[in-house]
Amino acid sequence: GESVGLHLPTLSVQEGDNSIINCAYSNSASDYFIWYKQESGKGPQFIIDIRSNMDKRQGQRVTVLLNKTVKHLSLQIAATQPGDSAVYFCAGGADGLTFGKGTHLIIQP
Amino acid sequence: EADIYQTPRYLVIGTGKKITLECSQTMGHDKMYWYQQDPGMELHLIHYSYGVNSTEKGDLSSESTVSRIRTEHFPLTLESARPSHTSQYLCASNRDVGGYTFGSGTRLTVV
Repeated sequence: GESVGLHLPTLSVQEGDNSIINCAYSNSASDYFIWYKQESGKGPQFIIDIRSNMDKRQGQRVTVLLNKTVKHLSLQIAATQPGDSAVYFCAGGADGLTFGKGTHLIIQP
Repeated sequence: EADIYQTPRYLVIGTGKKITLECSQTMGHDKMYWYQQDPGMELHLIHYSYGVNSTEKGDLSSESTVSRIRTEHFPLTLESARPSHTSQYLCASNRDVGGYTFGSGTRLTVV
């Protein structure tokens, strides 16, 4: 089965700096990956997704990188803002999604 | 604006009570899911459905049951609540392979 995990439970960054959140997965058959943001008291919110036939995908201030060789994906947030403070989850799979443990992004003023 | 709705948002209930957590979506999605999430922890799939009259158990064993009589409605029932059921329950849906849309969750406390 799929195993998805994040490397760090907490990441602290200065406001305005770039944030990089990492995730590793185990199932090489996974063909779809998503990053979710979960603010306190709310359900997860879709940020960006990427399919296994891509290495990189960009959104507004966010970029997801997929390295299939080492089964690793990352979420990069440019110019981190206080509103980016949340728990970030990666999820992956071939049909249903398996969620990793979250990384709590803390923004320092 | 949410297209998937969960009620209640918060529920405190005594041990042994029967409860039903409601989930409805207006997007016409065939696939719906229930996840259980403890504070600060990952989401665990407990039930899913690929359409009307389809229900399956997820990766995490759960004493709850679900039904899917209508496309838009996917309620979760606990016949006899216990303190170990205290958690947050998240409902989600998607059309096919793609991003899930999540509800705001129901935070359940069993005392």
